[in-house]
Amino acid sequence: AQSVTQLDSQVPVFEEAPVELRCNYSSSVSVYLFWYVQYPNQGLQLLLKYLSGSTLVKGINGFEAEFNKSQTSFHLRKPSVHISDTAEYFCAVTPASSNDYKLSFGAGTTVTVRA
Amino acid sequence: DAGVTQSPTHLIKTRGQQVTLRCSPKSGHDTVSWYQQALGQGPQFIFQYYEEEERQRGNFPDRFSGHQFPNYSSELNVNALLLGDSALYLCASSLVETGSYGYTFGSGTRLTVV
Repeated sequence: AQSVTQLDSQVPVFEEAPVELRCNYSSSVSVYLFWYVQYPNQGLQLLLKYLSGSTLVKGINGFEAEFNKSQTSFHLRKPSVHISDTAEYFCAVTPASSNDYKLSFGAGTTVTVRA
Repeated sequence: DAGVTQSPTHLIKTRGQQVTLRCSPKSGHDTVSWYQQALGQGPQFIFQYYEEEERQRGNFPDRFSGHQFPNYSSELNVNALLLGDSALYLCASSLVETGSYGYTFGSGTRLTVV
């Protein structure tokens, strides 16, 4: 089974400052990793995903994440945030190859961007 | 191109009642998954349907059941509602070849049980 721990439940940040959201995972098999964003009263939107290849993954809206297999981490970063980045962010994991089709999500990190 | 459509967007039910939620997948997608997101938590996998069969199920009681129709749309049914069933229910569609890494999520149905 897979599990995800998001190390920060809330991250306040000033506009134009950098932000990092931390995600650690646990799995006995190879995994695919994801970051999703959820705006208030909306569904989930995919920011980026790691399937294979380069460990630095670039996503939408200027976000990027780095896969670190030895530390079982997949931290999300953005060099300069905007007010519109205020949202809930979820890290998720799924086995790379098996008959397990589900995503396992972390509890989420609330990002609040202040002017 | 329409994405994933869920209906209704909100509903309120009384304990003990039954509810049906509906999902129309993104055009071209053949697999539908359902997730429950309680307030302040991450989504939890309920089950996935492909070819009108339940392909995988999460740790949810039998009160939660589903169906997939020939046009790939899906329903989630919950019987004997409990207060703890109050949550946002998310539907995600994908192609069977891409699985969960090709998900498109809908905006969800907010269920309140009183």
